[in-house]
Formats: sequence, structure tokens, C-alpha cells
Amino acid sequence: QLQLQESGPGLVKPSETLSLTCSVSGASMISTIYYWAWIRQPPGKAPEWIGSVFYSGSAYYSPSLKSRVTISVDTSKNQFSLKLTSVTAADTAVYYCVRQAPESKNTPRFYYFMDVWGKGTRVTVSP
Amino acid sequence: QSVLTQPPSLSGASGQRVTISCSGSSSNIGAGYDVHWYQQFPGRPPQVVIVGDSNRTSGVPERFSGSRSGSSASLAISGLQSDDEADYYCQSYDNSLSAWVFGGGTKLTVL
Repeated sequence: QLQLQESGPGLVKPSETLSLTCSVSGASMISTIYYWAWIRQPPGKAPEWIGSVFYSGSAYYSPSLKSRVTISVDTSKNQFSLKLTSVTAADTAVYYCVRQAPESKNTPRFYYFMDVWGKGTRVTVSP
Repeated sequence: QSVLTQPPSLSGASGQRVTISCSGSSSNIGAGYDVHWYQQFPGRPPQVVIVGDSNRTSGVPERFSGSRSGSSASLAISGLQSDDEADYYCQSYDNSLSAWVFGGGTKLTVL
């Protein structure tokens, strides 16, 4: 059974870099079907897509965060990571790592949904 | 401000039917991109219940159904039960933002 687990600091100071890792177990990340994504959810608000990465390393980012985000993949460790620079209080949220999947093979990525979620890790940005 | 608009809250009596709307535009739902629906309980990650506009995921009761029309989509829940009380989010893709997007969410209360 596929499981995703986020890890990283729960407290980050303003202007510093938020770094999180997602460890994937139960299946290999090397797949031509799935994308691996980071989603965040500020307290009391809706989820927000941050970015997605393919096993090859090719990545897509939210336009609103693109200048500050890097998502990378390490298939040898079956992990992918998030780096968000120059954080502010507005980046305080629960961060989830997620697998994106299609309903059927050969479906373009625009139609993908988030089928497996990690439990989430709470990150607070505060001095 | 979400590009997919949902009512912030909705309530219904046990056993009743409720419908949660998700209004988009020509760059997302209206462009033909699939709509997916997620259910979220407090302190838990969202869990997908409807994919591809109207297909229930494994284990989701037949009481849950999804539909779409034009630039909008809906999630209907019939025979409301207390354990349906949760937050519900619609999700699609927006080609003007080049981003996967979520609705603002609807808090469903079962009276």
C-alpha cells in the first residue's frame, strides 16, 4: 500500500528557506504515469497546489510561487523534496505531499487528481 | 480568492439531499477539464470522493454523485448522515494560470 510521509522543521524564521522531504513507501516513484506534488493548506483555508514533479525531474510550479519554489526528486531514495525561499507568515500552513494520478492511462496531466496524500506536516513561520 | 467558487457553508437535516456547487469559468471547468471532489475531516488530509466529474472512488457510497454543466459542477449527497459532516472541495485545472486549482471549500453541517 502506497504511503507518503512528510518530514522537516515545524518552525522556520521569516526570510529563511523552508525545506521538506517526502518519503514514498510501498511503490517506486519511477513511473511514467504519476506526478508527485506538494500541496499546502493555511489554517482555515482551502488547499493550494504548490508544484509537481515527474520521476525524471521535470517540474511544474504554481505561478504565484514559482520564483521561490524548487521541487526535486531522488529516485534512489524514493523521495522528493520542496524548497521555498524567503518565507513570510503567509507561508504558514500544513504542507502535504501527494501523488497525482489519472483516471486512465494516456490521460493528459491537466486531468489528474490527487489520489494519495501524506498526513501533512504543520509549518509555522515565526521569528 | 479561489477561481472556483463554492458556497462557504451548507446544512441539511439527516436523511435529506444537499447539493454543493462549484462555479468556474472558460479557463477551467468551461474549458472541459475534469472536476474532482474531496472530503476533509478536521485534522485529516483531504480524500478524493469523486473523480472525472462523476465517478465515485473506491468505497464511496452511492449516495454521493457528481455532475457538471457548462462552467459549473455539483456534488450531491443524498440520505445525509452525521458522518458526512466535513469540508468539501472541488478541484480542476486552469489553463490561464497553468495550475491545478481548488475551490474555496464548503463546510457541510448535518442537523
